[in-house]
Amino acid sequence: AQSVTQLDSQVPVFEEAPVELRCNYSSSVSVYLFWYVQYPNQGLQLLLKYLSGSTLVKGINGFEAEFNKSQTSFHLRKPSVHISDTAEYFCAVTSDTGRRALTFGSGTRLQVQP
Amino acid sequence: GAVVSQHPSWVICKSGTSVKIECRSLDFQATTMFWYRQFPKQSLMLMATSNEGSKATYEQGVEKDKFLINHASLTLSTLTVTSAHPEDSSFYICSARDGGLLAGGSTDTQYFGPGTRLTVL
Repeated sequence: AQSVTQLDSQVPVFEEAPVELRCNYSSSVSVYLFWYVQYPNQGLQLLLKYLSGSTLVKGINGFEAEFNKSQTSFHLRKPSVHISDTAEYFCAVTSDTGRRALTFGSGTRLQVQP
Repeated sequence: GAVVSQHPSWVICKSGTSVKIECRSLDFQATTMFWYRQFPKQSLMLMATSNEGSKATYEQGVEKDKFLINHASLTLSTLTVTSAHPEDSSFYICSARDGGLLAGGSTDTQYFGPGTRLTVL
């Protein structure tokens, strides 16, 4: 079984400032890792994913994340945020075998202020 | 890109009635679809895994007789909330797993529908 911990429930940040949303996971098997974004009353949109290969993953909207196996982390970063980045962000993990059901973290609310 | 649709986007029903929610993968085939439930300001909780042509796999604590899942084709899964009650009011989200092989590797990604807001009066 896997678990995901998102350490920050809310992250307030000013527009054009950098941001990091933290995600740590726990698993006894190899995993795939994902970041999703959810805007109010909408479904989830995939930001980026790590399946294998380079540990630095670039996604949409200028986001990137780095897989760190030794620290079991997959933190999400953006060098300069916009008001439109205000949303809920979910980190998720699945094993690389089996039915591939996702286990989600509790979410981080990114609030970008002008 | 991979698109998943859900219908309806919102529904209001009376207590005791049944509601069917459809989840479709529009541009890829999904042998596996997932149904999640999300309460306000909370994360997504997996309810069940829907496999084309076979019975769904339910998570512990989810009543399979109340939440009927049918995965009749590679692009359609339905969730029927039977005899709905106010405590069933929630945001229901489906996802479809694109496990297809592209040149250079597998996509192996879940794509999510826009969700269905169910309100039971």
